[in-house]
Amino acid sequence: NAGVTQTPKFRVLKTGQSMTLLCAQDMNHEYMYWYRQDPGMGLRLIHYSVGEGTTAKGEVPDGYNVSRLKKQNFLLGLESAAPSQTSVYFCASSYGPLQPQHFGDGTRLSIL
Amino acid sequence: AQKITQTQPGMFVQEKEAVTLDCTYDTSDPSYGLFWYKQPSSGEMIFLIYQGSYDQQNATEGRYSLNFQKARKSANLVISASQLGDSAMYFCAMRGERSTGNQFYFGTGTSLTVIP
Repeated sequence: NAGVTQTPKFRVLKTGQSMTLLCAQDMNHEYMYWYRQDPGMGLRLIHYSVGEGTTAKGEVPDGYNVSRLKKQNFLLGLESAAPSQTSVYFCASSYGPLQPQHFGDGTRLSIL
Repeated sequence: AQKITQTQPGMFVQEKEAVTLDCTYDTSDPSYGLFWYKQPSSGEMIFLIYQGSYDQQNATEGRYSLNFQKARKSANLVISASQLGDSAMYFCAMRGERSTGNQFYFGTGTSLTVIP
């Protein structure tokens, strides 16, 4: 049961570098989400997608871009990493908006 | 605006006892869903239980139950017969029918420690 898989699990970047986080789900979910989790702040939505080829901004989208070229994959990109983007990133997916979201194991990203 | 409040940053419970984790919410949506997630120290987010705003009965899932009081806008999680493996962070979340951005609103979490 793969569910939601995130790669990589850990990454250290230097300020200004770029990278892409990959999220893959095998549950045929329409909805996919990227969150960041910072200490004492719970989870905050970065971007989301309601289907293949669609993306939209969440609560904290600045500095990130996303793409959903295939239904099962949702990519999160950092074009020019900043120390403020040091966080744990979670991908999630769900059948619909009021259905439970299933989360990946997270990606711990540190930007020096 | 929608908001989730978890007022207990940390809780302790004796093994085999029951514990209640508080969650209050604020929404103007007539229809919404309430969710609880568990995050153990390993970091993954595990879905525990769901309550719909129009559900007549409180949700239950094994040792987890949701004490839903709509008039008070509270959705407390009750864990019965606590086990050492229940030690984790617990997050309450909500999504309204008319939520913009399909957003789940998460609380800041409650850290539960089960004492042997």
